[in-house]
Amino acid sequence: NAGVTQTPKFQVLKTGQSMTLQCAQDMNHEYMSWYRQDPGMGLRLIHYSVGAGITDQGEVPNGYNVSRSTTEDFPLRLLSAAPSQTSVYFCASSPPGRTNTEAFFGQGTRLTVV
Amino acid sequence: AQTVTQSQPEMSVQEAETVTLSCTYDTSENNYYLFWYKQPPSRQMILVIRQEAYKQQNATENRFSVNFQKAAKSFSLKISDSQLGDTAMYFCAFMKHSAAGNKLTFGGGTRVLVKP
Repeated sequence: NAGVTQTPKFQVLKTGQSMTLQCAQDMNHEYMSWYRQDPGMGLRLIHYSVGAGITDQGEVPNGYNVSRSTTEDFPLRLLSAAPSQTSVYFCASSPPGRTNTEAFFGQGTRLTVV
Repeated sequence: AQTVTQSQPEMSVQEAETVTLSCTYDTSENNYYLFWYKQPPSRQMILVIRQEAYKQQNATENRFSVNFQKAAKSFSLKISDSQLGDTAMYFCAFMKHSAAGNKLTFGGGTRVLVKP
């Protein structure tokens, strides 16, 4: 059971470039989300999805797009990278229901925008 | 909106001793969940312990226990018999369950260093 898989693990971009961070889970979880981690600020929610075809904005959505065409995949797109997007990005998934509250995290992607 | 505050940026503890990490939160919700996550140098986020707000009994997981004070909106983590492998960043997190999904709000983290 692979859990939540993020690719790539590291990436360097030039300002203005675009890229997609990949996230896949094999646990049939309905809920998936993207967070960014910056020093001293913990993790902040970027976008989330409660199922295929449904996405919504989190706390810091500007500069990022998402889509959810399948239950398994939830890619995060940076259309025009900026130095302020230098961060560590985490994808997480969790099952539905009031009793299943644990979020399973990928190993993160360290992104540097120069 | 909910906020989570961890007032201790860094803490150090001798191996085998006890350390307590503080966390306070602000919410108008009555039903919610609180978590402590551990992030070792590998960067992996690991769930340490979970507390349901409707439960008065404090959660425990082996050497980890919490002191949950709902009225004071306080949720501290105690690590007993500290081990070198406990060295990590620790994040307190709040979650309100809703049909819109399980969204987590994190504190800024406390770095714990266990010294031999």
